[in-house]
Amino acid sequence: AQTVTQSQPEMSVQEAETVTLSCTYDTSESDYYLFWYKQPPSRQMILVIRQEAYKQQNATENRFSVNFQKAAKSFSLKISDSQLGDAAMYFCAYVNYNSNSGYALNFGKGTSLLVTP
Amino acid sequence: AAGVIQSPRHLIKEKRETATLKCYPIPRHDTVYWYQQGPGQDPQFLISFYEKMQSDKGSIPDRFSAQQFSDYHSELNMSSLELGDSALYFCASSPTGGSTDTQYFGPGTRLTVL
Repeated sequence: AQTVTQSQPEMSVQEAETVTLSCTYDTSESDYYLFWYKQPPSRQMILVIRQEAYKQQNATENRFSVNFQKAAKSFSLKISDSQLGDAAMYFCAYVNYNSNSGYALNFGKGTSLLVTP
Repeated sequence: AAGVIQSPRHLIKEKRETATLKCYPIPRHDTVYWYQQGPGQDPQFLISFYEKMQSDKGSIPDRFSAQQFSDYHSELNMSSLELGDSALYFCASSPTGGSTDTQYFGPGTRLTVL
């Protein structure tokens, strides 16, 4: 079974600064997909960024970028120029076909990000 | 752009009652996933549907059932509710049932069982 580990339950960053959230995963597959979802206090699950394992280039979406290290099974999220609205719970997620759960997302436990003025 | 719609947004039930949660996927999305998120927990996969057929099952209790209808909307039926069923229930949709497709989440239904 695949497991996703987020080792930082909480992180804090000052406005305009940069923060990196860590995620590691365990899989024997070579083809899979990784995601970061953001869950603000409204509890809505919002897609931040996705990465295909076959792509060597790290994905980027505006102020959000990832550092994907396939050999190390690491998928960290970097948030640049942090804004107050970035405060949320961030979930790392993995997906690959599984005979039991199909293409269901497998989430980490989440990292709570606090942004201070 | 249209998003996933879930209703109701909030639901309060007594123990042993029944609840029905509804999900309307993004237009032209034929795959629906249901997730349960307990307090302080990550979302856990319950069940999924592709083209109106059950696709896969996760940690869904036998007291729960679900289906996807001809218009692709889905309903999650929960019977003999227990206190531990109190959670946020998400529906997510994707264009097809393949791993290449991003799942887009609805706002969730917050179920409280008293």
